Parts: sequence; structure tokens; C-alpha cells
Amino acid sequence: DIQMTQSPSSLSASVGDRVTVTCRASQTIDIYLNWYQQKPGKAPKLLIYGASSLQSGVPSRFSGSGSGTDFTLTISSLQPEDFATYYCQQSYSAPIFTFGPGTKLYIK
Amino acid sequence: QVQLVQSGAEVKKPGSSVKVSCKASGGTFNSHTITWVRQAPGQGPEWMGRIIPKFDTRYYAQRFQGRVTITADESTSTAYMELSSLRSEDTAVYYCAREFLTIFGVIVFDSWGQGTLITVSS
Repeated sequence: DIQMTQSPSSLSASVGDRVTVTCRASQTIDIYLNWYQQKPGKAPKLLIYGASSLQSGVPSRFSGSGSGTDFTLTISSLQPEDFATYYCQQSYSAPIFTFGPGTKLYIK
Repeated sequence: QVQLVQSGAEVKKPGSSVKVSCKASGGTFNSHTITWVRQAPGQGPEWMGRIIPKFDTRYYAQRFQGRVTITADESTSTAYMELSSLRSEDTAVYYCAREFLTIFGVIVFDSWGQGTLITVSS
């Protein structure tokens, strides 16, 4: 099975900061990488698909990059509503899917 | 956009089974693939399995094989996930989600149910 890792596991930042989260796959997954945002008590929300495509309705301060095994999610200027947990997920091995362990973004 | 509404929270005894429902509205139910994901407290999401109602095709994560059964009732646009032989480690929020195939051929989970908390406790 393809394993996903994320770093850091937690991150504190301030409103207006630029933040980058990293996701790594245990084998190549081309661009079959998606990013989700989850707030407490809520279901995950799709942000980025295909490594770099912005889901409809998601603010343009979110961006994704990467291919193969290494991927990044960048928030260009943090807003108060962005403090949440972020998960990467691979769909390369569909119909088997794997999520990363998450990166929790805290307010500094 | 499809909306998914799940059944309510339950408390179950170890060794018992639970069946969670996921009712879809909007769109055509049998054109969707419904996937099930669970999330234990403080953990990341874990994919459990999926069903394509139109073909009644199911696929399960290996670690749940033999314990999980996913079904769908097209007449009520409802998918179900039943987990048996429950143990304390199965305490989690269980989500259904719709799978969507993007133009790049990447599958995403673009609509989610609100989640169902299943607590396994004696």
C-alpha cells in the first residue's frame, strides 16, 4: 500500500503569514494528490486536486505543487478562517485511497 | 451538487455490529460512487471502502475485509456501511462521501456527509 507522510505535524503561524505544508508518498503517485481542510467537528473539505488544481470556490491564496512523491500546499497569506488541519490524500492506487496523518495549523 | 445526510450517533457494545446510513439528494444516485471514511479521535481519515450503486460493485480496504459490508438502496438513494465485531478501537466518526472523477482522471471526495459518531464501549 502507498503510505503518505506530512510535515510538519503542527505549525503555529500568524494572520498574514505565508505557510507551506509538505506531503510525501512512499512511491510515485504522479499528480494523483489531493488536499483537504478540516475544521473541528466538520467533514473534510476539498481544496486542491491533481496536485495543483484549485477546487471551485476555494480562495486563490491556496495553491498546490509537486508531482511524483513530493508535494506542497501553500497558503500565501493566512486568514483567521484558515486555522484548521490539512490532509493530503492519494488516489493513484484507486480504488484504494490513503490519507496523510495531517498538519494542524495553530494561531501564534 | 449532491448532499449527503447520515444517520445519528450510536453507542455499541464490543462484539456487536453497527449500520450507518447515508442518504443522497441532488443528482442521480446511481451515477455516484459512494465511499466510506472513518476518523478515530485525533487521527487522520482512513478509507474503508466504496460502492458503485449502478453496478452494485464494492471494494473494501484490506484491513476491514470480512468485517465491513457496504450496500446501497437505489429506491431510497441511500448507502449503508455495516461494521461487525466491534471493538473499542472502532470508536470513530464515520463519513460517507461522493467520489468524483476530475478532468485529469484524479478521483476526489467532493461532497461529504456530516459524519456519524460511533462509540464502542462496554
